[in-house]
Amino acid sequence: KQEVTQIPAALSVPEGENLVLNCSFTDSAIYNLQWFRQDPGKGLTSLLLIQSSQREQTSGRLNASLDKSSGRSTLYIAASQPGDSATYLCAVLEYGNKLVFGAGTILRVKS
Amino acid sequence: DTGVSQNPRHKITKRGQNVTFRCDPISEHNRLYWYRQTLGQGPEFLTYFQNEAQLEKSRLLSDRFSAERPKGSFSTLEIQRTEQGDSAMYLCASSLGGRLQETQYFGPGTRLLVL
Repeated sequence: KQEVTQIPAALSVPEGENLVLNCSFTDSAIYNLQWFRQDPGKGLTSLLLIQSSQREQTSGRLNASLDKSSGRSTLYIAASQPGDSATYLCAVLEYGNKLVFGAGTILRVKS
Repeated sequence: DTGVSQNPRHKITKRGQNVTFRCDPISEHNRLYWYRQTLGQGPEFLTYFQNEAQLEKSRLLSDRFSAERPKGSFSTLEIQRTEQGDSAMYLCASSLGGRLQETQYFGPGTRLLVL
């Protein structure tokens, strides 16, 4: 059974810092990996999707990497801003077209 | 706003009552998914539809839960004889259905509280 773990569970940083969120998964038989953002009480917004054949994806200040063989992904956020405060969820797409999520990292960026 | 809508946004009910939630996916999307998220956890997969066919169901979906997508457009999720453990956020997502490796777009969710 696929298990996705995210470290750290919570993170508080001053504005302007660069930061890294970590995600690991136990079964490398995945189709893709996605990073989502969730604001309190809201749905999920897709940030980046990395196909299983890819190593990284970039969007603005966000960069996500994937090492499928070791079961790891990182989300790098450059020059963090208070508006980046949210919960960040990592999810892998496996057979059966289902996403398996980690529990998330709660990020707080202090101004 | 991703274009996926869910109603109601909040529902409070008493234990033992039945509840029904509705999801309207992005109009051209063939695939529709239901997930459940409890406090402090990531969403867990419940079921998914390709057009009107229900293709996958999680073991989390007990016999008190039923999902339908009668015309391949909107979907409903019904919970019969609700229990306090059913309290959660119920999320719907949709995807185009052309390729397996594609983004799922999530709705805002329906938050259920069972008293």
